[in-house]
Amino acid sequence: AQSVTQLGSHVSVSEGALVLLRCNYSSSVPPYLFWYVQYPNQGLQLLLKYTSAATLVKGINGFEAEFKKSETSFHLTKPSAHMSDAAEYFCAVSESGGGADGLTFGKGTHLIIQP
Amino acid sequence: NAGVMQNPRHLVRRRGQEARLRCSPMKGHSHVYWYRQLPEEGLKFMVYLQKENIIDESGMPKERFSAEFPKEGPSILRIQQVVRGDSAAYFCASSPPRGNGDIQYFGAGTRLSVL
Repeated sequence: AQSVTQLGSHVSVSEGALVLLRCNYSSSVPPYLFWYVQYPNQGLQLLLKYTSAATLVKGINGFEAEFKKSETSFHLTKPSAHMSDAAEYFCAVSESGGGADGLTFGKGTHLIIQP
Repeated sequence: NAGVMQNPRHLVRRRGQEARLRCSPMKGHSHVYWYRQLPEEGLKFMVYLQKENIIDESGMPKERFSAEFPKEGPSILRIQQVVRGDSAAYFCASSPPRGNGDIQYFGAGTRLSVL
């Protein structure tokens, strides 16, 4: 069985500061890993996806994530936070790549940007 | 190319009534997934369908919930005899017919409120 743990239900950073959102996973097979963002009253938008091609994955809006197998982690980072980054962020795992099974999501991290 | 369309966006039902949620996948997509999001929780996988077939319904409650994806028309998630605990946001996602390795694209969700 697969699972995802997101440390910190709320993270607050100042505008311009580093954003770090933590995600740890468990999977019985090499996983596919995803980060999605959800703005209020909207659906989920894919930020980036790890598919084993490269351990450092670059996504949209300046976000990137690094896959660390030894730590079973897939933390999301952005060098400089912007007010528009305020949203809910979800880490998800799939054993098939996402196109042939349901994704398993973490509980989400609410990112707060302080001016 | 229109995205995943869900309707209605908001649905209010009284206890004991039926709720019908509709999802039209992106053009060319033949895989549909339904997820439920409870307050302060991540998304929970409910069911995965392909045209006219239920592939995985391991996340569906055993009673009152059903889903279909007919040859023609949208996918329908039906909840019979709704209870207050069914109040949640229900998201639909779709992916192309290739399967493994594909991204799931999410709709904006239907927010069900049971009075």
